[in-house]
Amino acid sequence: GAVVSQHPSWVICKSGTSVKIECRSLDFQATTMFWYRQFPKQSLMLMATSNEGSKATYEQGVEKDKFLINHASLTLSTLTVTSAHPEDSSFYICSARMDPASNQPQHFGDGTRLSIL
Amino acid sequence: DQQVKQNSPSLSVQEGRISILNCDYTNSMFDYFLWYKKYPAEGPTFLISISSIKDKNEDGRFTVFLNKSAKHLSLHIVPSQPGDSAVYFCAASAYFGNEKLTFGTGTRLTIIP
Repeated sequence: GAVVSQHPSWVICKSGTSVKIECRSLDFQATTMFWYRQFPKQSLMLMATSNEGSKATYEQGVEKDKFLINHASLTLSTLTVTSAHPEDSSFYICSARMDPASNQPQHFGDGTRLSIL
Repeated sequence: DQQVKQNSPSLSVQEGRISILNCDYTNSMFDYFLWYKKYPAEGPTFLISISSIKDKNEDGRFTVFLNKSAKHLSLHIVPSQPGDSAVYFCAASAYFGNEKLTFGTGTRLTIIP
């Protein structure tokens, strides 16, 4: 089945640091990838939609200068949390989707737990 | 504004019995619904989906029912197994080609041996 790999799985860093999270589709090409954020005991909230070769589309209330998304190839999207602060601590999850014509749902990575001290 | 709601944060079911997880939505534009299963520190795993042109979809032990007039869907798992213990999320989108998913808050299902 479709596999999405996310790295790293856990990051602890100091306030002010920038953190990069990678999302890779291992066995399929994903023209579109998605980045979600989940706070404890809450729902997954879509942050942005990442399209290969173009700028990401951010959801309302998500700071695009804070959360930089790059989708340079059909198998890789990155999320960089710039100048991270404790309030950015959260669980970040990416997902990827094959060509819509494939009739497949989104497949998720295992997430990255980000802790900012 | 929580457009997709799972009003039961937790549910315990005896092994072998039926588990019923419920989900309500408010946005009448939602046309396609999915259920995902999630273990701690892992990403969600797709289970089953249904489009609004159907009222039932079945895949093995999993059946999803959709009542569009009530804006309600449910996931039935029968028989329930210990490995089913996880958090279950329902999600909705405006149509299958629309990739933006709106998730519910999840229901933690515990199967009691």
